[in-house]
Amino acid sequence: EAGVAQSPRYKIIEKRQSVAFWCNPISGHATLYWYQQILGQGPKLLIQFQNNGVVDDSQLPKDRFSAERLKGVDSTLKIQPAKLEDSAVYLCASRQGDTQYFGPGTRLTVL
Amino acid sequence: GQQVMQIPQYQHVQEGEDFTTYCNSSTTLSNIQWYKQRPGGHPVFLIQLVKSGEVKKQKRLTFQFGEAKKNSSLHITATQTTDVGTYFCAGPASGTYKYIFGTGTRLKVLA
Repeated sequence: EAGVAQSPRYKIIEKRQSVAFWCNPISGHATLYWYQQILGQGPKLLIQFQNNGVVDDSQLPKDRFSAERLKGVDSTLKIQPAKLEDSAVYLCASRQGDTQYFGPGTRLTVL
Repeated sequence: GQQVMQIPQYQHVQEGEDFTTYCNSSTTLSNIQWYKQRPGGHPVFLIQLVKSGEVKKQKRLTFQFGEAKKNSSLHITATQTTDVGTYFCAGPASGTYKYIFGTGTRLKVLA
């Protein structure tokens, strides 16, 4: 069974630029999460989707972050414009039952 | 808001020694999950505990859920170099599948 796929794996941008991350969850998993993991910290939930609907986005900085999951499969997370403090690993996870399966993450560096 | 804390933050042990990490939630949890994240890797689901006082074992790993369902522990017997990584606990916000991750315990095993 294929795991959660994410791209790109690494991204370096300058502050105020825009960036987008892509996630393809495990086939059949209805729930998809985006997390932000700052170095040395635990993952922090940004947004949760159930199929193509948003379940929770209470911790998503909506002035600069946006996410969508069209057709209830792939998802994209966008940051526009990026700030220095957005430097982190962005993890996508999909859930089946009680188990979350994480992708390899995208490491974002904002200069 | 709900907080999940772990102690210690770091632990260095000699190979063959035991290791324990403790997880404490500010609120009662319906369940608790444990994840392992290898250096440079992504979190990998280890186990979920649901019942008050529940104890589960996976080879050298023993997981326990407190009686009040606000704390949990992970004990590793006779650590090996393959146990290196950061161990996170995660608990759901009340009535949701929104998981709050703990601060993590980074384990280093010296050969």
